[in-house]
Amino acid sequence: EDQVTQSPEALRLQEGESSSLNCSYTVSGLRGLFWYRQDPGKGPEFLFTLYSAGEEKEKERLKATLTKKESFLHITAPKPEDSATYLCAVNSGAGSYQLTFGKGTKLSVIP
Amino acid sequence: SQTIHQWPATLVQPVGSPLSLECTVEGTSNPNLYWYRQAAGRGLQLLFYSVGIGQISSEVPQNLSASRPQDRQFILSSKKLLLSDSGFYLCAWTSGGEVETQYFGPGTRLLVL
Repeated sequence: EDQVTQSPEALRLQEGESSSLNCSYTVSGLRGLFWYRQDPGKGPEFLFTLYSAGEEKEKERLKATLTKKESFLHITAPKPEDSATYLCAVNSGAGSYQLTFGKGTKLSVIP
Repeated sequence: SQTIHQWPATLVQPVGSPLSLECTVEGTSNPNLYWYRQAAGRGLQLLFYSVGIGQISSEVPQNLSASRPQDRQFILSSKKLLLSDSGFYLCAWTSGGEVETQYFGPGTRLLVL
């Protein structure tokens, strides 16, 4: 059974204080790893898809990286508007349409 | 561009009452469609997915059912709601294929009292 564990559960940062969120996964064969951002009361917003170890993607202050066992979402010089819950999900197994999600990391950026 | 709609946005229903939540996608044809439930403190749980009209796959046996009467319409239903059906229901779509990125709608908050 696929498992996704995100840490920490919650993270408070001062504005400008860079940090990383972790997503550890156990799958039979990774076919894709996805990062989403979710604001309170809204649907998840797609950020990145990573397919193979060593792959990196960037968007503004966010950078996602992937190894064979985990993914990191690096946040450089965060701003208060980066406050949200960040979700990680994996797709594995041929013929599977299912994404397995972690419980998320709630990020708060304090001005 | 593609847009996904869900309604209603919020719903308060008594236990034992029926349920119908609707999801529609614009700007694409023959999408794969998904229903998820997000409960407090838990990850998103896939409930149903559909690869075409009338084709529904259930991931979790439960009190709910899904239907796809039209290409870009996905409906989540229940004949009798339980307290445990409360949660945030999300619809998602992909353009096809198994490893396509899933794009989510705005969600429906359901409270069963």
